[in-house]
Amino acid sequence: EDKVVQSPLSLVVHEGDTVTLNCSYEVTNFRSLLWYKQEKKAPTFLFMLTSSGIEKKSGRLSSILDKKELSSILNITATQTGDSAIYLCAAGTQGGSEKLVFGKGTKLTVNP
Amino acid sequence: KAGVTQTPRYLIKTRGQQVTLSCSPISGHRSVSWYQQTPGQGLQFLFEYFSETQRNKGNFPGRFSGRQFSNSRSEMNVSTLELGDSALYLCASLGGIGAEAFFGQGTRLTVV
Repeated sequence: EDKVVQSPLSLVVHEGDTVTLNCSYEVTNFRSLLWYKQEKKAPTFLFMLTSSGIEKKSGRLSSILDKKELSSILNITATQTGDSAIYLCAAGTQGGSEKLVFGKGTKLTVNP
Repeated sequence: KAGVTQTPRYLIKTRGQQVTLSCSPISGHRSVSWYQQTPGQGLQFLFEYFSETQRNKGNFPGRFSGRQFSNSRSEMNVSTLELGDSALYLCASLGGIGAEAFFGQGTRLTVV
């Protein structure tokens, strides 16, 4: 059965801290690894990773995929209160349809 | 460019009733996926449609069904509602094979 596991499940930090969120996956026909941020309703897209070892960066956020270890990390530097959200990791599968297998998410709380 | 539009945003239904939710994908996107999000299970894949054809279905009972129209708009239907169907139902729109998925705001369904 396809599975994505995120850790930690929740994290409380102070503004300015750096955080690392972890995601491991076991899916058949793996295609890509995606990160989303969910604040209220709609998960908003952050990154899609398909190649191992190549870091993707957007401002203070960055992510990298390790296909050998079947894992990915999402780093957030100099955290701000606006980073408080649930961060979702999803594995995209291939094989004739577009299906995402999601982890349970990491709830990040950034205190001022 | 308009995003993914889901209607209605909120619904309250009684056990045993049926419900239809609607999703309009981003213009030009032909793939639409549906997900159920609950606090306990996280986001779970319901089904995916492409060019009016269901290409994949998740592990949900037959009470959950969907369809896609020629303009790529999609509907999902849940019959004989149960209390456990209370959830946030999210629709995702994809622009192509292996592309990132963009989510709508969701429909919050409460079954009483």
